[in-house]
Amino acid sequence: DAGVIQSPRHEVTEMGQEVTLRCKPISGHNSLFWYRQTMMRGLELLIYFNNNVPIDDSGMPEDRFSAKMPNASFSTLKIQPSEPRDSAVYFCASSFNRPYGYTFGSGTRLTVV
Amino acid sequence: LAKTTQPISMDSYEGQEVNITCSHNNIATNDYITWYQQFPSQGPRFIIQGYKTKVTNEVASLFIPADRKSSTLSLPRVSLSDTAVYYCLVGVPSGGGADGLTFGKGTHLIIQP
Repeated sequence: DAGVIQSPRHEVTEMGQEVTLRCKPISGHNSLFWYRQTMMRGLELLIYFNNNVPIDDSGMPEDRFSAKMPNASFSTLKIQPSEPRDSAVYFCASSFNRPYGYTFGSGTRLTVV
Repeated sequence: LAKTTQPISMDSYEGQEVNITCSHNNIATNDYITWYQQFPSQGPRFIIQGYKTKVTNEVASLFIPADRKSSTLSLPRVSLSDTAVYYCLVGVPSGGGADGLTFGKGTHLIIQP
């Protein structure tokens, strides 16, 4: 099992550009989570899906952020337009009905200049 | 969601047993307690999960008193490679999928030679 796969690993973009982060969850997992991590705020839950349906997006900072899960094997997190304060590491995680817990990807380090 | 409180940092020496305590006074009846470990530049990794009493696996032990208002993660005979951030989380699994868990700032454990 390759685990949760995120791409790209690193992204540097200019303010105002659109950014798309991608995630492939572990096959068979039915829940997918997007987190953002910064030094100041720690790990924040942005949104999560159960069976491809968004359940709670209350953590999404503002309308510039959107997430989709068109099928069980793929999800995207889009930021449009990006701003320097969006710079962070974005993690995707998947799970199948705990108690086995989440499996996190390696993250995407986003830098907006 | 139940709020958790854990020390910001701890340090110890190789070969020692390390206990990290987490307070969760508002834990709900259906909540489970889960601990994660995070190394720099990596996503958090599931360590252990429990509901009550004691749980042990090949990595750690988790002690939960009867009132469940706190829990203690015990790492036996730590090594330098156990230097990481440890997160305590409280949440409830659901039949249709996992709920989004809230990570706090975690405990930064530093192991010295």
